[in-house]
Amino acid sequence: DIVMTQSPLSLPVTPGEPASISCRSSQSLLYSNGYTYLDWYLQKPGQSPQLLIYLTSNRASGVPDRFSGSGSGTDFTLTISRVEAEDVGVYYCMQAVETPLTFGGGTRVEI
Amino acid sequence: QVQLQQSGPGLVKPSQTLSLTCAISGDSVSSNIAAWNWIRQSPSRGLEWLGRTYYRSKWNYDYALSVKSRITINPDTSKNEFSLQLKSVTPEDTAVYYCTRYQSGACDYWGQGTLVTVSS
Repeated sequence: DIVMTQSPLSLPVTPGEPASISCRSSQSLLYSNGYTYLDWYLQKPGQSPQLLIYLTSNRASGVPDRFSGSGSGTDFTLTISRVEAEDVGVYYCMQAVETPLTFGGGTRVEI
Repeated sequence: QVQLQQSGPGLVKPSQTLSLTCAISGDSVSSNIAAWNWIRQSPSRGLEWLGRTYYRSKWNYDYALSVKSRITINPDTSKNEFSLQLKSVTPEDTAVYYCTRYQSGACDYWGQGTLVTVSS
């Protein structure tokens, strides 16, 4: 199975300031079709995870443009350009290049 | 707008079978571009993918090795839903269970989650 490792575990943030989360995979997430199968999800307190970024750098529908994803191969980053209070929660990366789909351990973002 | 509505008991006795259903609206379980997944979440195991079903000229099934001997995911085209059955449960199967749609590289829609507790 592909192991997903996130850092940091916890990220205190200040509204209006940038923030970034790192995710590393144990093998490349580049598929033969040229797409890199790395997604980012946010789980707000008491809610199901919600998709933020798919295929490394594509924002899901309705996701504010302050969220961006980057990376390639095995190293990925989620960046929030200016954190807002509503961004608190636990962020997860997930690989979908092969089954089983696997998730990082999560990064708790708190103000 | 796609919606996934989960149903099923929140308490299951050890050694019995956990059964959950995910009703789909706004899409079809027979979609040729989607896959329908079950994922669970617990403090000890984090988010854990359990398995999926999808239709590509025929029904396909993939399961996590950790539960392969105990799990069945079944589509029901007449009700436009899919189900999860997990046999011989133990307290380690206590978790929040989610159904999701996987399409275009991501799990883009999630059910509301069902907390299933395995206890006598």
